[in-house]
Amino acid sequence: RKEVEQDPGPFNVPEGATVAFNCTYSNSASQSFFWYRQDCRKEPKLLMSVYSSGNEDGRFTAQLNRASQYISLLIRDSKLSDSATYLCVVNSGGYQKVTFGTGTKLQVIP
Amino acid sequence: GAVVSQHPSRVICKSGTSVKIECRSLDFQATTMFWYRQFPKQSLMLMATSNEGSKATYEQGVEKDKFLINHASLTLSTLTVTSAHPEDSSFYICSARDLDRGILGDEQYFGPGTRLTVT
Repeated sequence: RKEVEQDPGPFNVPEGATVAFNCTYSNSASQSFFWYRQDCRKEPKLLMSVYSSGNEDGRFTAQLNRASQYISLLIRDSKLSDSATYLCVVNSGGYQKVTFGTGTKLQVIP
Repeated sequence: GAVVSQHPSRVICKSGTSVKIECRSLDFQATTMFWYRQFPKQSLMLMATSNEGSKATYEQGVEKDKFLINHASLTLSTLTVTSAHPEDSSFYICSARDLDRGILGDEQYFGPGTRLTVT
């Protein structure tokens, strides 16, 4: 089983729709979780850190479910500019090291 | 967020030559930087962890003699791809942690990447 797994998509959604991605992780000792956004041929950029209590930033909501070992990202009122690949990132227990998922591609359609 | 620069952004070199990529943290000090490689349609793969003032820690399968890492100061790490071959063509990205920013402490800030093409 991969350390971090994501559905690669693509998720094609119309503007204004709500879309959610899940990411599962295998190491129950993982402590830190993040969502990054990567545009085509660009570097990843931190979107949100995921806290145990869940957190919200505007249209974006991140949740952590430790019992089932997954994190989620919910995007409300999708914009065309949200089109990107969303990377799930987990601290896999090693010192400072994190593991990236393969990413979920989102395409928001006019 | 914290700013990390990388230079060059794009380089084309001939097979057998060496290429040096620089990674700088511009507004913070980074005792640790990370080097990743990303092939098309694949995820980032950690190559090595660069520690200021000490030897880098390489991931399994990454040749330390081929990918030389030097972390000479708290704001600069370099990756040298020695005797490059076409299969080394990839997108190389560095990242750094800013311990004074972020709550979880593991957030990484990425440079813009270097696209290496070996002909």
